[in-house]
Formats: sequence, structure tokens, C-alpha cells
Amino acid sequence: NAGVTQTPKFRILKIGQSMTLQCTQDMNHNYMYWYRQDPGMGLKLIYYSVGAGITDKGEVPNGYNVSRSTTEDFPLRLELAAPSQTSVYFCASSRPRGQGDEQYFGPGTRLTVT
Amino acid sequence: GDSVTQMEGPVTLSEEAFLTINCTYTATGYPSLFWYVQYPGEGLQLLLKATKADDKGSNKGFEATYRKETTSFHLEKGSVQVSDSAVYFCALGSGSARQLTFGSGTQLTVLP
Repeated sequence: NAGVTQTPKFRILKIGQSMTLQCTQDMNHNYMYWYRQDPGMGLKLIYYSVGAGITDKGEVPNGYNVSRSTTEDFPLRLELAAPSQTSVYFCASSRPRGQGDEQYFGPGTRLTVT
Repeated sequence: GDSVTQMEGPVTLSEEAFLTINCTYTATGYPSLFWYVQYPGEGLQLLLKATKADDKGSNKGFEATYRKETTSFHLEKGSVQVSDSAVYFCALGSGSARQLTFGSGTQLTVLP
């Protein structure tokens, strides 16, 4: 079991560029999430998904898009990168509500926008 | 909306000292409560959890009790080790997908 994997580990973008952060889980979890962690802060929810084809906005969705075409994958898209999107991005997954609430996190992607 | 207030850090302790990290929350309904730990350069790992009032979560010598009357979930350990040095996050899970709301984290450093 690899758990939750994220690629790339590090990335530097120029302002206005686009990129996709990849997230895959092999635990057959229905629920998946994207968070961002700014220096010295807790994590904030960007988007989440309760199953293939279903996504919803979290606390800080502006500037991001997601899709969920399979149970395993939940990519996060940045369309026009801005310096405010410099952060560490974590993907997580969990079983459905009522089957254990804990989320399992990937190792993160450190993104710098200059 | 939901929120979590966590004791400000950093916290520096000597090995074998007693640890308390305070955590209080504001939420509607009946959230689940969690403590996550983050070691340098890594993702978050679940340390312990409690899903209803008066539940006590415990793991690796750490404990926390879900106190609905004081809306608190304080983390304690009787004797810390150097290997406990990390950032600790209190979080609550709520909403249709049990989305997590995090505190700002507490950096713990344990000196030998």
C-alpha cells in the first residue's frame, strides 16, 4: 500500500503559468481533499470530493480547479499562478462518513510562484 | 463557521518533562476531534482522535479527552522524548465529508 502519493514534490512557477498537482490514493477511499499550508499556519481546505464525478469548494477555492474522474485520482489545477499561491499543498483521503473519520495525508507539494 | 484555537508556540521542553498543548474549538453539531503531528519535511500523520463527548483518544503516550462542556481537546503526555519534536495540529472534522478545520499548529522542541 503506497497510501496517498503526490507529484511533483517541488515546483517553481512563473506568474501566469499553469500547472496540475497530481494526487493518487490506493486505499479505495471515497473521500478526497486538497489543503494548502502557508508558513506558520494550519491547513486550509481548497476543494474536496465525496466520489467520482462529485466535487465541492472548501474555504479557499479561488484560483484553483479540480476534477474527479476516478476513485483513485484527484488532480488540482492552477490556471494562472499568482505569488499568493506560494504554499505547500497536501492531498488527503478518507473512508466515507461513519466508517472512520481520519484522513490520510500525502507528503505534499512545495510550490513557489515568482 | 467552525474554528479551532490552539496554544501558540513554540514550546521547548527538556526530555521527560510533562507536555500540555491547549486546544479549544467552536462548532455546530457534533464534530470529531483530532490531533495530527507533522515531522520536518513530511505530511501530517494522525496521532489520536475522539468522535464523541467524553471519549479519550490515546496513542504513543499522548492523550486527549473530548470535553463538550468546555469545548476543549487538550493534548497531554507525561514524559516527552527528543523524538517527539514536531509540529502538532489540533483539528475538527465536520460537514458532509468530515472536512477538517485546523488550528495554527504548535512547534514542540524537546531537548536532551
